[in-house]
Amino acid sequence: GAVVSQHPSRVICKSGTSVKIECRSLDFQATTMFWYRQFPKKSLMLMATSNEGSKATYEQGVEKDKFLINHASLTLSTLTVTSAHPEDSSFYICSAVPSGTDTQYFGPGTRLTVL
Amino acid sequence: GNSVTQMEGPVTLSEEAFLTINCTYTATGYPSLFWYVQYPGEGLQLLLKATKADDKGSNKGFEATYRKETTSFHLEKGSVQVSDSAVYFCALSGAAGNKLTFGGGTRVLVKP
Repeated sequence: GAVVSQHPSRVICKSGTSVKIECRSLDFQATTMFWYRQFPKKSLMLMATSNEGSKATYEQGVEKDKFLINHASLTLSTLTVTSAHPEDSSFYICSAVPSGTDTQYFGPGTRLTVL
Repeated sequence: GNSVTQMEGPVTLSEEAFLTINCTYTATGYPSLFWYVQYPGEGLQLLLKATKADDKGSNKGFEATYRKETTSFHLEKGSVQVSDSAVYFCALSGAAGNKLTFGGGTRVLVKP
C-alpha cells in the first residue's frame, strides 16, 4: 500500500517551453502533497506544499509563477515548470500524505533536462 | 527552527559488516522521526519511523531508536548486503503540516 506514481519519469525539453509533471497517489487519498527538487548528490529541497482545493504554499525563494502547482483532486497534484531554462534541469520528486497520518510517501521522481 | 544532522559519507563497508549511521536532531515539541532510503535513480522509500520517545522502528534488518535525551535516531544494521548500497536520509516531521526536515543524506557503499 501507499504507492505514489509520477509521470513522466524522464523528460527532455527545449528552453522556453513548459513541462507538466503529474503526481498520483494510487491507493490512498492525500489531502496534502509536497514537491521537492533534488540536485546531484544533494538532499531534497522542499519547493511547495500542495493542498487539495486550495492554493499551494511555496517555500521562500521558489517562484510561484514559474512552478505552477495544481492539486485538483485527492489523488492528483501537478507541477508545471513554465518557460523552462537549463538551470531548471533537476530531479523533481513528489510525496503524498495519507489523510489522517503524518507519513510522507514518495514518488519515484522525474528527471527534467532542459536543453 | 528544526534541523537534522547526519554523518557525512560515503561510508564504504564489506558485506556482512555492521552499519551505523548517526543522526541527531533539533526540534521544538515532539517530532516524528524517519529514515528514508534512496536507491540510484529512484525516489525515496520509507525505511522505518518512530513517533515517540523510546520507540524503535525496524524494517529489513534495519533498526533505529528514538532517543529524546540525546536527540538522536541512529540507524543500525547488523549485517549489510550489497543490495543495501544506497543513500540514507534521516528526517523529522514537526507539527507544521507534516513538513519534513531532511538531513544531508549518507551514501553507503557495500562491497562484496
